[in-house]
Parts: sequence; structure tokens; C-alpha cells
Amino acid sequence: AQSVSQHNHHVILSEAASLELGCNYSYGGTVNLFWYVQYPGQHLQLLLKYFSGDPLVKGIKGFEAEFIKSKFSFNLRKPSVQWSDTAEYFCAVNGNNRLAFGKGNQVVVIP
Amino acid sequence: EAQVTQNPRYLITVTGKKLTVTCSQNMNHEYMSWYRQDPGLGLRQIYYSMNVEVTDKGDVPEGYKVSRKEKRNFPLILESPSPNQTSLYFCASSLGGGLPYEQYFGPGTRLTVT
Repeated sequence: AQSVSQHNHHVILSEAASLELGCNYSYGGTVNLFWYVQYPGQHLQLLLKYFSGDPLVKGIKGFEAEFIKSKFSFNLRKPSVQWSDTAEYFCAVNGNNRLAFGKGNQVVVIP
Repeated sequence: EAQVTQNPRYLITVTGKKLTVTCSQNMNHEYMSWYRQDPGLGLRQIYYSMNVEVTDKGDVPEGYKVSRKEKRNFPLILESPSPNQTSLYFCASSLGGGLPYEQYFGPGTRLTVT
């Protein structure tokens, strides 16, 4: 079964700072990778996804992620965060008809 | 509007009293799934369904039941709820279980079992 590890569960940073969230996965087959975001009190929404092609994927709201197959990683980045990026971020891997999530990163952006 | 709906949104119940949380999607999706979200544990899959009458266990199926008699509905049943099932539950649907299909999530059901 696939599994996902996310590091630095709690991240606090100031507006305009850069954000990078790490995600490592384990799965023996072809993977599809996702980042979902959950704003306070809301349901999960898709930020971006990767399934093939260019390993650098661009998503909504200025987020991007890079798939590095040799490192089994799919790290999320944003060059300059805003207060509205305060949310919980989940990495997920789709394999064998199931979606496995990491434990999430709680990100707080201070104005 | 394409959406996944869940009811109820909030529920407080007592140990042992059977309950059902409904989930419905209007996108003609084949795949549906239930997750529970607990602090520090992320989302864990309870059950999923590839299509009508096809269901399978996820990572944490104990204490839960599901059924998929219609494509649009995927209710979650707790036959005898216990306090350790206090959690935030999300239903989700997607075009299929494989490939890079985005899962669309419902608004969540916050369940408290006393």
C-alpha cells in the first residue's frame, strides 16, 4: 500500500516569505500525486496534481510542486505567501484505486 | 452546481445508537469514498466504491459500513458508534479511482459520540 510523509507539521511565517513543504511517498507502481488545501472551516480543494510529463507542476494561487522520482518526493512551493494562504496542506498519492494522504502541514501566515 | 453534499453537518450522539451519514454527488462520478480526519493524523480512508454495488475497505474500516445502491449516493453507517469514532468525516467523489482524477470533497460532518 502507498504511504505519504510530510515534514514540519506546523509552519509559521510572515507575509512575503517563501514557503516550501516537503512530501515523500512510497509506492511501487505508477503514481499520481496531489496537493490539497483546506482553508479554516472549509473542505479540501485541489491545489495541483502530477501524473506525467513536466515534473514541475503549476497550480492555483501561485503554488507549484516538483516531482523528483529518484527521491520519491513531491515538494510544494510558493515564492511569496499571503495571509490568505493560512491553511492546512495535504500531500496525497493515488495508487491501486486508493488515495493516501499525509498528515498535513498547518501553515500560519502572519500579516 | 457540481457538488458533493453531506448530511447532517453536525451530529452529537450517544454510544451505541445507530446513525447514518448521507453523501450525494451530482457529477455522475463512478468513484466515491469516505475519509475521517483527526488532528495530527491527516485523512484516513474508511471505505471506497468503484461503482454501484462495488465497495471495498480502506485503511480504517472497523466500526463502519457503507452501501452503494445508486451511483449518486454513498451513505456511511455506524451500527454502534463509540467515542473513538468522534471525528470529522468527509465524503468525496471522482470520475474514477485510478489515473489522476481529482477528488471532490463534501463539506464535512462533525460527529461527536459521547
